[in-house]
Amino acid sequence: DGGITQSPKYLFRKEGQNVTLSCEQNLNHDAMYWYRQDPGQGLRLIYYSQIVNDFQKGDIAEGYSVSREKKESFPLTVTSAQKNPTAFYLCASNHQGIGNTIYFGEGSWLTVV
Amino acid sequence: AQSVTQLGSHVSVSEGALVLLRCNYSSSVPPYLFWYVQYPNQGLQLLLKYTSAATLVKGINGFEAEFKKSETSFHLTKPSAHMSDAAEYFCAVSDRFTGGGNKLTFGTGTQLKVEL
Repeated sequence: DGGITQSPKYLFRKEGQNVTLSCEQNLNHDAMYWYRQDPGQGLRLIYYSQIVNDFQKGDIAEGYSVSREKKESFPLTVTSAQKNPTAFYLCASNHQGIGNTIYFGEGSWLTVV
Repeated sequence: AQSVTQLGSHVSVSEGALVLLRCNYSSSVPPYLFWYVQYPNQGLQLLLKYTSAATLVKGINGFEAEFKKSETSFHLTKPSAHMSDAAEYFCAVSDRFTGGGNKLTFGTGTQLKVEL
């Protein structure tokens, strides 16, 4: 089935450790995105990528890093510099073009203790 | 920058009653507007979108929304609520960036509760 796969679904890490969240899509989409969701704040954009080997910071990029070495993959690393990393993280993708629907993965819960 | 405001973080309706979830947008250019639904611990699913064709947009699960430029609104409605409609709903506007792509700016969401 075509779609966006995020893994792991649940992840626990100790404070000060880096952690990488995986996002893979088989929809042949050019653009990929990472959003962070916190209760009562909606979704906020962390990073996005329009093409392989290129990506841009979103609204809350501090403490995060990404790579886009393959069209299908857009992993997100939450570094120890992120002050409040516990959140629900959503990966998304779409075809390039204004108004094209953005599709979302099932999300990953990260809890830092 | 474009933005959306969702009035009411929590809405409660009786099963069979009208559902009305409010969304107002701010945009300096003709907007693309979206409504997404999220069930607990899941990703977002597109309900419907407005892309400057018809102002009344019909979506999945019996939902529809009307684009009103004069009111800068894009409210979501459903004539008769069902228990399965209980979820969180997000309104979003498409921000355009160089290269022809788009990214979404979301409202803070409205939690819909459906009571018997």
